[in-house]
Amino acid sequence: EAQVTQNPRYLITVTGKKLTVTCSQNMNHEYMSWYRQDPGLGLRQIYYSMNVEVTDKGDVPEGYKVSRKEKRNFPLILESPSPNQTSLYFCASSFGVPSTDTQYFGPGTRLTVL
Amino acid sequence: GQQVMQIPQYQHVQEGEDFTTYCNSSTTLSNIQWYKQRPGGHPVFLIQLVKSGEVKKQKRLTFQFGEAKKNSSLHITATQTTDVGTYFCAGPPTDYKLSFGAGTTVTVRA
Repeated sequence: EAQVTQNPRYLITVTGKKLTVTCSQNMNHEYMSWYRQDPGLGLRQIYYSMNVEVTDKGDVPEGYKVSRKEKRNFPLILESPSPNQTSLYFCASSFGVPSTDTQYFGPGTRLTVL
Repeated sequence: GQQVMQIPQYQHVQEGEDFTTYCNSSTTLSNIQWYKQRPGGHPVFLIQLVKSGEVKKQKRLTFQFGEAKKNSSLHITATQTTDVGTYFCAGPPTDYKLSFGAGTTVTVRA
């Protein structure tokens, strides 16, 4: 089944404790992206990757890192999480650029930073 | 940068009634996409509009792209409980980015 998977689905952590949220897709998509969803703000793009080893900042990149060492994986790294990073995070992928191709979203990761 | 505004933020609808949600961009869009997110779920692609003045229908959903390609609307007729969720519009400020509106959250009274 074609899908985007994220792990963990739920995470409660404390300020400053490094964490990684994994994202994997099995559709051989070139493009992958991370969004955070907050009430009243919709989905805001954090980082995106056009292909292996090619990443760039979205609209809200501060406090996050990403890497794209393999085509299928695009982990989101929070080196020193803070409470303002408490949010619902979605990974998405598409075969081509998002301006023309459908985005496929993962199930989401709900993160709470205490 | 490009801003995509969406109204209303909430829409409470009586089952069987119609409603419309609107999306406006500060800049001309090459295309606009609509997504639906069910409660507790993830966004799912509904449709993409590309041409000026384009109108597309999916059963009871009608999507429209403005003549100036700066606004779009989603009209749902005869609302059903299956329509519950949040509807997002999204436009690309560049080829590699996608800007989402804040969404319209729809609840239905049976």
